[in-house]
Amino acid sequence: AQSVTQPDIHITVSEGASLELRCNYSYGATPYLFWYVQSPGQGLQLLLKYFSGDTLVQGIKGFEAEFKRSQSSFNLRKPSVHWSDAAEYFCAVALYNTDKLIFGTGTRLQVFP
Amino acid sequence: EAGVAQSPRYKIIEKRQSVAFWCNPISGHATLYWYQQILGQGPKLLIQFQNNGVVDDSQLPKDRFSAERLKGVDSTLKIQPAKLEDSAVYLCASSLVWEGYNEQFFGPGTRLTVL
Repeated sequence: AQSVTQPDIHITVSEGASLELRCNYSYGATPYLFWYVQSPGQGLQLLLKYFSGDTLVQGIKGFEAEFKRSQSSFNLRKPSVHWSDAAEYFCAVALYNTDKLIFGTGTRLQVFP
Repeated sequence: EAGVAQSPRYKIIEKRQSVAFWCNPISGHATLYWYQQILGQGPKLLIQFQNNGVVDDSQLPKDRFSAERLKGVDSTLKIQPAKLEDSAVYLCASSLVWEGYNEQFFGPGTRLTVL
C-alpha cells in the first residue's frame, strides 16, 4: 500500500535561514507527488507538484522540491525562510493518473525572528 | 473566484449527540471530497462525490457517518451519534472533474470537538 513518511514533526529555523523538509514515499511505481501548506485556520494550499520530467520542481512562495527516485524522496526546500512561512507542511502522494491523495503526518515549521 | 466554503467553522458537542457540516464547492466543480484530519495526522479521505454520485466511500464509518450531495452542488456530512474519537478538523475540497488528475482546492475546515 502507498504511504508517505515525514520524519520531522517539528522544525524551528531562524528567519533568513535555509529550510529543507523531508518526505519519503512508498509506492510500486512513480507516483504523483505534492507538497501542501496549511496555515492556522486556513485550508490546504498546493505549493508544488511532480508528475514526471525534470526532477527539480519550482513552486509558489519561493519553494522548490527535488524528486530522487533512488531514495524514494521528495524533499521541500527554500533558500531563505520568511516569518510568514510558519505553518504546517504536508507531503502527499497520488496514484498514477488519479486525484486520490494520501498525506503524510505533516511537519510544523516555526520561524524565529 | 470564490473558494470552497464550509460552515460552521467550529462546533463543540457532547458524545452521542448529532452534528452536521456543510460545504459549498467552487462553482462548476464536479468532484467533491470530505476529509478527516485528526490532530497530529494528515488528512484522510472519507468520501468522494462525482456530481451527486458517490465515487469512493471506502473509508467512511458508515455506522455513524453519512454524506449527501443533492443536486450535485452543496454537500452535507453528518455524524450520528458522535464519539470522542471523532474530534478532528473536517475538510471539504473540490476539483473540476474526476478523470485523471485535477487539482483539489480545500476549504478552511470545520473543527469539531466532542466532549
